[in-house]
Amino acid sequence: KAGVTQTPRYLIKTRGQQVTLSCSPISGHRSVSWYQQTPGQGLQFLFEYFSETQRNKGNFPGRFSGRQFSNSRSEMNVSTLELGDSALYLCASSYGTLKRNTEAFFGQGTRLTVV
Amino acid sequence: AQTVTQSQPEMSVQEAETVTLSCTYDTSESDYYLFWYKQPPSRQMILVIRQEAYKQQNATENRFSVNFQKAAKSFSLKISDSQLGDAAMYFCAYPGGGSNYKLTFGKGTLLTVNP
Repeated sequence: KAGVTQTPRYLIKTRGQQVTLSCSPISGHRSVSWYQQTPGQGLQFLFEYFSETQRNKGNFPGRFSGRQFSNSRSEMNVSTLELGDSALYLCASSYGTLKRNTEAFFGQGTRLTVV
Repeated sequence: AQTVTQSQPEMSVQEAETVTLSCTYDTSESDYYLFWYKQPPSRQMILVIRQEAYKQQNATENRFSVNFQKAAKSFSLKISDSQLGDAAMYFCAYPGGGSNYKLTFGKGTLLTVNP
C-alpha cells in the first residue's frame, strides 16, 4: 500500500512569487491535513480537509490556502511568498476526519526555500 | 489553549541503554489521547506510541513505553535497549478536544544514539 506522497520534495522560490504543493493521501483516506515545520516555531497546524471541505484552520494568514479534490488529493497554495515561509511542509492523511484518537500518516514533506 | 512542552532539546544514549524523553501538556479535557511521533532524517513522521487518558495502564509497544501521569499532565517516553536506528527527533503530540481536532506538537527532542 503506497504511503502519503508529497510533491515536489524540494522547491526554491523568489520572494513575492506563489507556490503550490501537492499531497496524495493513502488510498482510501479521505482526510488530509497540512503542517508547517520551522526550527523556530516547530510544527504548526495549517488546515484539514475532509471530503473536499475545509474542516479546521490554524492561525496562518490568508496567503495560505488549500483545497481537496474528489479523489482526496490536496493542494496547498502560498501566495506572495515571504522569506519567513521557508519551511518543511508536511502533509498527513487519515481515514476519517481528525478525532482525538486518529492516527495520522505523514508524507516526507516538501522543503520550500524562499530567496 | 492547549500546549505541549518538551524541555529536553537534545538527549544522547549509549546503544543498548535506556533513555527517557519528557513531555508535559496542558488541557482542560478529561478524555483525550497523547502521541509520540518519531522523525528520522528522512523527515517522515512515524507514530511510535499512543496513550488514552482514561486507561490507567501505561502503553507499551515493543521497546517503547510511556509513563503517563494524568494528574501531573506528564507523558514521558522510555526507549529500552536503544538501537542506532532510534536516532531521530521525537515529538510529543496532543490532538486536542472539542469539535476541532488538530495535532499540537512539542518542539521536539533530538535523540542521538552512540555506538
